[in-house]
Amino acid sequence: DAGITQSPRYKITETGRQVTLMCHQTWSHSYMFWYRQDLGHGLRLIYYSAAADITDKGEVPDGYVVSRSKTENFPLTLESATRSQTSVYFCASTGTGLQETQYFGPGTRLLVL
Amino acid sequence: GENVEQHPSTLSVQEGDSAVIKCTYSDSASNYFPWYKQELGKGPQLIIDIRSNVGEKKDQRIAVTLNKTAKHFSLHITETQPEDSAVYFCAASLWADGLTFGKGTHLIIQP
Repeated sequence: DAGITQSPRYKITETGRQVTLMCHQTWSHSYMFWYRQDLGHGLRLIYYSAAADITDKGEVPDGYVVSRSKTENFPLTLESATRSQTSVYFCASTGTGLQETQYFGPGTRLLVL
Repeated sequence: GENVEQHPSTLSVQEGDSAVIKCTYSDSASNYFPWYKQELGKGPQLIIDIRSNVGEKKDQRIAVTLNKTAKHFSLHITETQPEDSAVYFCAASLWADGLTFGKGTHLIIQP
């Protein structure tokens, strides 16, 4: 039972480069989410998806792009990384709705130099 | 949008004592209030949640209370143990929106 996985777990990149963070879940959950976690800010929602090909912006979407061609995958792309995007990124999923238990992945720690 | 304030940011208690973490929310239409626990190097994990039609919910040593009038909810942990040491996040949600999280409380259990 793999659950929800994220890759890579750690990433170092340079300003201006494109970076894609991967998220995969094995439960066939409908909803998937991307959060960023920064000291002093808690968890902030970047984007979420209610189903394949349906995505919506969260609180801090600028500079990020998402796609959901398959139910189990929800990649997050930083098209031109900036230092302010240095953060820990968490993917989460839930099966039935926005107000049910969200299951989080282990996180990706991203450093933008 | 919703705004969630969480206090304190750090809480240190003696093992066996109780711990209380408090949150307030801004949107009176919010109706779902979960609490997540995050251990070092891991993703957050749901420990308890409460909906707006309930004033209190308990699960063994953990309880959550909700005061809709004051827009205030709290997490209570009794008989604290070393494994309770972690960062705890409260969150609030309206039906059609995602979760808005508080900034977290670092709970330290002193032996």
